[in-house]
Amino acid sequence: GAVVSQHPSWVICKSGTSVKIECRSLDFQATTMFWYRQFPKQSLMLMATSNEGSKATYEQGVEKDKFLINHASLTLSTLTVTSAHPEDSSFYICSARNRNYGYTFGSGTRLTVV
Amino acid sequence: RKEVEQDPGPFNVPEGATVAFNCTYSNSASQSFFWYRQDCRKEPKLLMSVYSSGNEDGRFTAQLNRASQYISLLIRDSKLSDSATYLCVVNMGGGGNKLTFGTGTQLKVEL
Repeated sequence: GAVVSQHPSWVICKSGTSVKIECRSLDFQATTMFWYRQFPKQSLMLMATSNEGSKATYEQGVEKDKFLINHASLTLSTLTVTSAHPEDSSFYICSARNRNYGYTFGSGTRLTVV
Repeated sequence: RKEVEQDPGPFNVPEGATVAFNCTYSNSASQSFFWYRQDCRKEPKLLMSVYSSGNEDGRFTAQLNRASQYISLLIRDSKLSDSATYLCVVNMGGGGNKLTFGTGTQLKVEL
């Protein structure tokens, strides 16, 4: 089956620093990857959609300069939270879409900014 | 109105009970529908897709009513391990194949 590997599982960082989260599709090529954020007791909210080799499409209200997305290959997408602040603390999850496997989710990254 | 709406619960049921969750969606042009299960602090995992004809997978039955824009999930003979949050998820079409998630319904199965 399709597997998406997401790292790190959790990270604690200081305010003002940047954090990079990686998602890799291990046994399939992901034509599209989605990045979500989930606050406690809330639903997953789509942040952006990235297609390999092109710029990401951000949802309304998501700052593209703060949440940098790079989808340089068909198996790797990265999300960088720049100049992180405590309000960015959340659970970030990626999802890869492939025509054969549908949607596969990474295991998520719990970010805590102190 | 939320795009995908669910009762957050929690629903506390005894082991062996039958429990049903409902979900409504706002976009009549929505194309595909799913139920996902999410355990605490974990990623969502696909439980089942939902089809207009209704579909069953073991103890789980899902139904879709396009006219009412309503989706349901029925769990029979609930187990302790069924305790989780159940997410109603809709692909609303319109390009991009984006999924829209409901807030989830929390189920607690007790002895």
